[in-house]
Amino acid sequence: DAKTTQPTSMDCAEGRAANLPCNHSTISGNEYVYWYRQIHSQGPQYIIHGLKNNETNEMASLIITEDRKSSTLILPHATLRDTAVYYCIVRVGDNDYKLSFGAGTTVTVRA
Amino acid sequence: DAGVIQSPRHEVTEMGQEVTLRCKPISGHDYLFWYRQTMMRGLELLIYFNNNVPIDDSGMPEDRFSAKMPNASFSTLKIQPSEPRDSAVYFCASSFQGTGELFFGEGSRLTVL
Repeated sequence: DAKTTQPTSMDCAEGRAANLPCNHSTISGNEYVYWYRQIHSQGPQYIIHGLKNNETNEMASLIITEDRKSSTLILPHATLRDTAVYYCIVRVGDNDYKLSFGAGTTVTVRA
Repeated sequence: DAGVIQSPRHEVTEMGQEVTLRCKPISGHDYLFWYRQTMMRGLELLIYFNNNVPIDDSGMPEDRFSAKMPNASFSTLKIQPSEPRDSAVYFCASSFQGTGELFFGEGSRLTVL
């Protein structure tokens, strides 16, 4: 599986958009980008995933560059409850059903 | 709807004792995953099942660990004998048809003294 690189930590202001970057320069054509988050003392929670096109759901937007070597997760209006560790994961779409979590980015939303 | 249910939420035991962690996946989900989380190693996949059959157990640390899934609604992870280095939070997750959208339980925090 392609390796991902994320910043260790970042802060953002409550009510502002939070932009979380992820590099996956060795991604293959059939590998998807997944984002999860883990709020303290809870299990990880799925946020969104994509292959080539940008995606949006009720939680976030995922912007994937045209060369697919990096992506950005956007939390449009960060709240204090969005404070969590955010994981960017690359997963092969066809036969690999495993998700490998890295260290993630610790996001702290400040009032 | 009920999510993935794990028990116990907390377990404190002494070295050498047997530990059994339990998981009830979301009804209708056909994949079940066991993960372990520690500060040092992060989240590690231990084993996963498809339709109750173990598919990949390459993440199981050693023979002291075993996992079973006797039916679609129940799985166990057993450690025998337990050691202090097994102290961790153990998560169970399930998914439908192998999608990457995993639903995690709240975890079982194990402390081995």
